[in-house]
Amino acid sequence: QVQLVQSGTELRKPGASVKVSCKASGYTLTGYYMHWVRQAPGQGLEWMGVIYPNGIDRSYAQKFRGRISVTRDTSTSTVYMELGSLKSEDTAVYFCARELPESCHFDYWGQGTLVTVSS
Amino acid sequence: QSALTQPASVSGSPGQSITISCTGTSSDVGGFDRVSWYQQHPGKAPKLMIYDVINRPSGVSNRFSGSKSGNTASLTISGLQAEDEADYYCSSYRRSSTYVFGTGTKVTVL
Repeated sequence: QVQLVQSGTELRKPGASVKVSCKASGYTLTGYYMHWVRQAPGQGLEWMGVIYPNGIDRSYAQKFRGRISVTRDTSTSTVYMELGSLKSEDTAVYFCARELPESCHFDYWGQGTLVTVSS
Repeated sequence: QSALTQPASVSGSPGQSITISCTGTSSDVGGFDRVSWYQQHPGKAPKLMIYDVINRPSGVSNRFSGSKSGNTASLTISGLQAEDEADYYCSSYRRSSTYVFGTGTKVTVL
């Protein structure tokens, strides 16, 4: 069965960076897009970016360009999202979510990773 | 990149029907039949309920249905049940290979 298992809770200081992982199982990572979505405490969902099935192309929300990087390691079926220059407003739960190519919806989600940014 | 607009809250009694709206622009909701809806219970990951405006994934109750007119998409829950109490988010593909979510709607079963 398809599973997306994310790394654990992170605590960072302002200005630092964080790298969250999402390990996929039950399907072939190279056949799907992987998106990242975040949710600040008590707030709504916010789309951040995506890595394409070819592992080369990416698209990021304009808000995060310049400080976000989504990468992939096919040998471990793991996708990573790194966010730099962290601010307190980046405190949120970060989700990975799978998309079948060209389907434009997210059929499986990771359990979420809480990232807290605090001095 | 502003979010799609949803009502903050909608409520209904068990057995009733409710509708949640999701308003965007011609660059997202109105321009593509690529609207999806997600249900999220507290502390949980979102769950896909509707995709491509009207389609239900396998396993999702047929009490959930979707529609779209112009720049506004809608999710209707018929025969409201206690387990439907959750937050609901719409999402749409947007030009330039990006996506956008709605502001979210809290559904309360009275």
